[in-house]
Amino acid sequence: AQKVTQAQTEISVVEKEDVTLDCVYETRDTTYYLFWYKQPPSGELVFLIRRNSFDEQNEISGRYSWNFQKSTSSFNFTITASQVVDSAVYFCALSEARRAGGFKTIFGAGTRLFVKA
Amino acid sequence: ETGVTQTPRHLVMGMTNKKSLKCEQHLGHNAMYWYKQSAKKPLELMFVYNFKEQTENNSVPSRFSPECPNSSHLFLHLHTLQPEDSALYLCASSQERTVPNYGYTFGSGTRLTVV
Repeated sequence: AQKVTQAQTEISVVEKEDVTLDCVYETRDTTYYLFWYKQPPSGELVFLIRRNSFDEQNEISGRYSWNFQKSTSSFNFTITASQVVDSAVYFCALSEARRAGGFKTIFGAGTRLFVKA
Repeated sequence: ETGVTQTPRHLVMGMTNKKSLKCEQHLGHNAMYWYKQSAKKPLELMFVYNFKEQTENNSVPSRFSPECPNSSHLFLHLHTLQPEDSALYLCASSQERTVPNYGYTFGSGTRLTVV
C-alpha cells in the first residue's frame, strides 16, 4: 500500500540552527517519485524538489539538502542555518503510476516548522 | 504569483447557503484536483479530474459537488454544509499523463467557515 509518514508534527528551532524533517514512505512499486512541498502562511503549497526512485543521489540547493535512502525508505529534508522565513508547514509526497495511466500522489501529514529569531 | 488562481480567498457561509468555489489554471495542465486541509489533519484528496473527466471521488459527501467544464476551470459547489466542513480548500493542477516533474501546482486556497 502507498503511505507517507511524517512523524514530526511540529518542530521549533532557533534561527541559525540546522533542522531535519523526516519522511518515510511505503510503496510496492519499483518506480516512484518523491516530493517535498512548503506551505507558507499564505496557503499555497510550493514545490521544492522531486526525486526519482532510481536516482539516490543526494541534492543540495542553497541551505536546503535532501537525503534519499531506498534502504530505509526515507527521504529526509535538512535546512541548514535556518531562518525565520523558513517557518512553514512542509509536506512530503509520493507519486506512483496508476494502472489506468497517469499518476497518483499522496501526501504526508506535514511537519510544522517554527523558526524563532 | 501562482499559476493556479482560486476565488474567493475567504468565504463564510451559513449551513443553508449555496456557494461555489472557483479554480482556474492556464498552465496547460490536463488534471485538476480538489483537496481539503483541516486543522491538524493530513491533506485529503477529494476529487480528481483528468481531461475534464472525473477520475476519482474519495467518498466525498454529496453536499460537495464538483464541476469541470474544461481543462482550465474547476468548481466546487457547496450546499447545506456542516460546521465540520470548515477548512482550507486547495485546488491543484498537473500534467497527469506524464512524469510529474514539478509536482502539482497549487492555488492559495479558499478558507471556508461554515456557521
